[in-house]
Amino acid sequence: KQEVTQIPAALSVPEGENLVLNCSFTDSAIYNLQWFRQDPGKGLTSLLLIQSSQREQTSGRLNASLDKSSGRSTLYIAASQPGDSATYLCAVVNNAGNMLTFGGGTRLMVKP
Amino acid sequence: DTEVTQTPKHLVMGMTNKKSLKCEQHMGHRAMYWYKQKAKKPPELMFVYSYEKLSINESVPSRFSPECPNSSLLNLHLHALQPEDSALYLCASSRGGGPHNYGYTFGSGTRLTVV
Repeated sequence: KQEVTQIPAALSVPEGENLVLNCSFTDSAIYNLQWFRQDPGKGLTSLLLIQSSQREQTSGRLNASLDKSSGRSTLYIAASQPGDSATYLCAVVNNAGNMLTFGGGTRLMVKP
Repeated sequence: DTEVTQTPKHLVMGMTNKKSLKCEQHMGHRAMYWYKQKAKKPPELMFVYSYEKLSINESVPSRFSPECPNSSLLNLHLHALQPEDSALYLCASSRGGGPHNYGYTFGSGTRLTVV
């Protein structure tokens, strides 16, 4: 059974810092990995999708990498801003089918 | 249109009520999903519809009844719920399953409170 772990569970940083959020998964047979952002009480917003054949994806200040063989992904946030405060979730789709397995999330607070 | 639309945004219902949650997408996605999310927890999969047929039911109690009338619509019918069913209910869609997934799009959710 796929298990996804995110470290750290919570993070508080001053504005302007560069951040790294970590995601690890136990079964490397995945189709893709997706990073989401969730604001309190809201739905999930997709940030980046990395297909299993890809090594990284970039969108603005965000960069996500994927090392499928070691079961790891990182989300890099450059020059963090208070508006980045949210919970960040990583999730993987297994080769077995449609199921999206989530990590427990990292709750990020960026202080002005 | 690149959105998944969920209605209502908030719902308060009694334990004897019958209500329905609605989800709609017009991206041509053929897989649709219901997730339940409790506070400070990740979403948990409830149901998967693939090409309008129920393909996965994650042992969800029968008081939750999904329905997929067509490829753009997904409903979740609620009956005789318990207070512990209070949660954020999220709908999602994807182009297909497995290698044809190409990522999930989530709606903004329905905040359900059972009193």
